[in-house]
Amino acid sequence: SAVISQKPSRDICQRGTSLTIQCQVDSQVTMMFWYRQQPGQSLTLIATANQGSEATYESGFVIDKFPISRPNLTFSTLTVSNMSPEDSSIYLCSATLGKNTEAFFGQGTRLTVV
Amino acid sequence: AQSVTQLGSHVSVSEGALVLLRCNYSSSVPPYLFWYVQYPNQGLQLLLKYTTGATLVKGINGFEAEFKKSETSFHLTKPSAHMSDAAEYFCAVSAMYSGGGADGLTFGKGTHLIIQP
Repeated sequence: SAVISQKPSRDICQRGTSLTIQCQVDSQVTMMFWYRQQPGQSLTLIATANQGSEATYESGFVIDKFPISRPNLTFSTLTVSNMSPEDSSIYLCSATLGKNTEAFFGQGTRLTVV
Repeated sequence: AQSVTQLGSHVSVSEGALVLLRCNYSSSVPPYLFWYVQYPNQGLQLLLKYTTGATLVKGINGFEAEFKKSETSFHLTKPSAHMSDAAEYFCAVSAMYSGGGADGLTFGKGTHLIIQP
């Protein structure tokens, strides 16, 4: 299994600012992903964090708004840039150990933009 | 492209009764299917998954699900509900590409399970 730690667990931010969320996995993983869970909604995949290269973004999400880094096999960051109240959500990091394996999730970062 | 439909945003059952949470999927390639549970203010925990092989899969906490390709369904069941089962349940699908490795998950909207005493 893999244990995923996210920091911060929650934050309240001013509109127009940026927040970087860190995701640390306790073992080397093949794939890392970032999801958004808006209030009362399901999870939506933002992007796949690729080690050593640019992230692969899903439709509706762009690098300028959600820059992602993945410098090694155990760590990734997601930045929410130029925040607005509409960005208030829970952001979750996820990882898989390889093919045919389950996805593990962090506890999430609860972001409130005021 | 993939999608997941969970019928019923809220399901209420009595303690000890059968739990049935419905999930239908759409996928252009053979799917991997998952059920996750989310307790209040907690992350997601895998209940069970179907990748290949036996279509009836058993998970944690007495839950099981059956993959029915002809019905494109993966309904979650538990014979006897317990108060501790009250949570949000998400069905999810991913695809195995020919190159190996699963992509990110596509989630359903979730079903809130309420257990009546």
